[in-house]
Amino acid sequence: ETGVTQSPTHLIKTRGQQVTLRCSSQSGHNTVSWYQQALGQGPQFIFQYYREEENGRGNFPPRFSGLQFPNYSSELNVNALELDDSALYLCASSAREGTDTQYFGPGTRLTVL
Amino acid sequence: RKEVEQDPGPFNVPEGATVAFNCTYSNSASQSFFWYRQDCRKEPKLLMSVYSSGNEDGRFTAQLNRASQYISLLIRDSKLSDSATYLCVANPSGAGSYQLTFGKGTKLSVIP
Repeated sequence: ETGVTQSPTHLIKTRGQQVTLRCSSQSGHNTVSWYQQALGQGPQFIFQYYREEENGRGNFPPRFSGLQFPNYSSELNVNALELDDSALYLCASSAREGTDTQYFGPGTRLTVL
Repeated sequence: RKEVEQDPGPFNVPEGATVAFNCTYSNSASQSFFWYRQDCRKEPKLLMSVYSSGNEDGRFTAQLNRASQYISLLIRDSKLSDSATYLCVANPSGAGSYQLTFGKGTKLSVIP
């Protein structure tokens, strides 16, 4: 086990709704990255948080936003949900200094109806 | 052209076989590379990091060819438990924030 936890495990929403996903990083890790994995695809980078600030963003619209808290846990918020947002959302934590190895949590499976 | 491309698979091999996966990356600035394995409906798990020309861990050997922008993963003496999807990953150092770029993955099924 990586020590990275995510909640909830599964979520069903309807188009137009908003969703918040949560992630607790591995002890000692101060960097959290979020990825979206659609069925049959590799994970795609959404954004990364380091010391409570966004530190890099992938090709995702502004309705995808996030936060990192002083304890390094993080939230991913998605507004105005679309059917294509249905995916596995993965959180990965890493120790910023000296390594770029990332460890993934179990993910949250979001279904948008 | 996709940033990281992998053999589409699937690969169906008998137990004990040797299997090789290939991967190419387009960003020549990429400095580090990884292989992750992902079981069905689970999270990716780190298999190997590849920082120089390559490395070996038991039955697994990863090789990196920077001139050809090519990474490979060799699995010897395949076990049933090796059945999974293998994801090739590059870290484009130019991003400056450790953004991992994943391939689509190659599915491996090891058959008894």
